[in-house]
Amino acid sequence: GDSVTQMEGPVTLSEEAFLTINCTYTATGYPSLFWYVQYPGEGLQLLLKATKADDKGSNKGFEATYRKETTSFHLEKGSVQVSDSAVYFCALSSSSASKIIFGSGTRLSIRP
Amino acid sequence: NAGVTQTPKFQVLKTGQSMTLQCAQDMNHNSMYWYRQDPGMGLRLIYYSASEGTTDKGEVPNGYNVSRLNKREFSLRLESAAPSQTSVYFCASSLQGGVDQPQHFGDGTRLSIL
Repeated sequence: GDSVTQMEGPVTLSEEAFLTINCTYTATGYPSLFWYVQYPGEGLQLLLKATKADDKGSNKGFEATYRKETTSFHLEKGSVQVSDSAVYFCALSSSSASKIIFGSGTRLSIRP
Repeated sequence: NAGVTQTPKFQVLKTGQSMTLQCAQDMNHNSMYWYRQDPGMGLRLIYYSASEGTTDKGEVPNGYNVSRLNKREFSLRLESAAPSQTSVYFCASSLQGGVDQPQHFGDGTRLSIL
């Protein structure tokens, strides 16, 4: 079945460092891909999405490119801030299901 | 600008007690979902409702029931709570269950079963 695998955390970086959180997927058909962010004590919020191969989703300085050849959707940010500390979830929505499948989440902590 | 509202925010139950978690959305969305979030396991889908009048099991439905009361409301019921159901529960909604439709989440209900 469809699945999402993302790098385990926690990931700890210094402020202004470059961030990569890896995400790969397995799916039939042509899924849409998402990154969600969860701040402490809150629900998940959509961060960005891409709906077809080679699309780049971007928001708040974060980017991810839909790579069909490597079945990946890695999240990147050039210079992280303390306020980016949160849990990040990679997810997919496939044409064979009316629901979203989430990865296990990656906790990111940014040191001042 | 409420979005998805869940009540209560916190609850402590004793084993065997029953409880209903409430969820309402004001975005005129067709699809609604219930998840549980446990450490190291991400989000697991309990039940979902693709449209008003329909409900379907997700990945972990045992021990739960749901009711899609109307288009706005989707409740989750624990008939006889067990310690294994201690978790954070999230309700979500989307315009429809299509491929490119993101979900909007409530702030969660933190449930402890003693």
